[in-house]
Amino acid sequence: GQNIDQPTEMTATEGAIVQINCTYQTSGFNGLFWYQQHAGEAPTFLSYNVLDGLEEKGRFSSFLSRSKGYSYLLLKELQMKDSASYLCAVSLPEGGGNKLTFGTGTQLKVEL
Amino acid sequence: DAMVIQNPRYQVTQFGKPVTLSCSQTLNHNVMYWYQQKSSQAPKLLFHYYDKDFNNEADTPDNFQSRRPNTSFCFLDIRSPGLGDAAMYLCATSRDHAGGRETQYFGPGTRLLVL
Repeated sequence: GQNIDQPTEMTATEGAIVQINCTYQTSGFNGLFWYQQHAGEAPTFLSYNVLDGLEEKGRFSSFLSRSKGYSYLLLKELQMKDSASYLCAVSLPEGGGNKLTFGTGTQLKVEL
Repeated sequence: DAMVIQNPRYQVTQFGKPVTLSCSQTLNHNVMYWYQQKSSQAPKLLFHYYDKDFNNEADTPDNFQSRRPNTSFCFLDIRSPGLGDAAMYLCATSRDHAGGRETQYFGPGTRLLVL
């Protein structure tokens, strides 16, 4: 099975950079995804990694190291609207679809 | 441009009274998923359809059923809701698994309250 760990809460300042870590114990997966979820809303896709290394998408970047069982999401130039929960999820093909197993999420608070 | 639509956004039902939540998509994706998300917890996959093939998670209670009459629509039926079934129910879609790399797109969710 998968055991996915993320810090419960983080606080950062507007304009700063924040790194949200995700560690996992899994027997194998094909992709690691990051989603953003504002309170009471659906998760929205941010980034994913299949291979080790850094994937950059504008202000958001995600990094994966399979050998270390570790990923992080990097948010640059933080804005107040980035206050949200950030969910790490591993993906395994199952029954023709993907099974996403989520971590419990990191609640990020951006302050002035 | 709504891509994954869920109705209603809020649903109140009585303990033991059957309830149906609906999801539709305009993406023409062949996979549709239902997740349950309780307060301050991660979304948890209940089941998914790959085209018409139903895939149930081993720990999904029998109280939860699903129907997919066509590509665009998928329903979640809760036969006898209990207080513990109060949660946000999220529908998601994707193309087929492509080795576990396909992104899932989520609808806005239906928040279910059981009285």
